[in-house]
Amino acid sequence: AQTVTQSQPEMSVQEAETVTLSCTYDTSESDYYLFWYKQPPSRQMILVIRQEAYKQQNATENRFSVNFQKAAKSFSLKISDSQLGDAAMYFCAYRRNFGNEKLTFGTGTRLTIIP
Amino acid sequence: NAGVMQNPRHLVRRRGQEARLRCSPMKGHSHVYWYRQLPEEGLKFMVYLQKENIIDESGMPKERFSAEFPKEGPSILRIQQVVRGDSAAYFCASSPGSAGGAPLHFGNGTRLTVT
Repeated sequence: AQTVTQSQPEMSVQEAETVTLSCTYDTSESDYYLFWYKQPPSRQMILVIRQEAYKQQNATENRFSVNFQKAAKSFSLKISDSQLGDAAMYFCAYRRNFGNEKLTFGTGTRLTIIP
Repeated sequence: NAGVMQNPRHLVRRRGQEARLRCSPMKGHSHVYWYRQLPEEGLKFMVYLQKENIIDESGMPKERFSAEFPKEGPSILRIQQVVRGDSAAYFCASSPGSAGGAPLHFGNGTRLTVT
C-alpha cells in the first residue's frame, strides 16, 4: 500500500522569507502523480501544485515550487516570499496513474507566518 | 461554474441517530470521493463512486456507513446509529475523470458533531 509521510507537524517562517515543507512517500509504482493541497482555517482544500512522476522538471506555480526526487521518493514544497495568506495546513498527496485510483494524503504540516 | 457543494455545513446528531451528508459534484464531473478528517489529522479515504457504482470502498467502516451516487441527484454518505467517534469533518471531492493527473476538487466539508 502506498503511504505518504510528512515529518514536520508544524513549521513557521517570517513574512517574505522562504520555507520548505517535506514529504516522502512509499510506492513500488513508476507512474504516478504527486500533489500539494492547502487547507486554510476556512477548511477548503485548495490544490497548490501537481507533479507527474515521469516529468523530470520540477513543477512551479508562481511562488510555489517543488523539489521532486524520484529515486529518493521525496517531494518537498518550497514557498518563496511567504505571505500572511499562506498560513494553512499543507497536505502532500499521492495518486497512482492507473485509473480509478484514490488520492492518499499525508498527515499535514501546519504553516505559521510570522509578521 | 459552481464548485463542489456539500450540505449541510454543520450537522449535530445525538448518539443513535442517522446522519445524511450530501455532495453535489462540479458540473461535468462523474467521479466522487468521500474523505473523513479527524481533528488535527489528515484526510482519510472512505469511498470512491461513479454514477450508480461503487468503485472502491476500502476505507469505509464495515458497519453503519454507506454511500451512493445515483443517476440523478447528489451523492449521499449515510451514517446510521452515530457514535461519538463519528464526529469529524467529512469532505467530498469530484473529478472529471479517473486518470491519475485529474485533480480532485473539494467541497467545504460537513462537520458532524455527535452529542
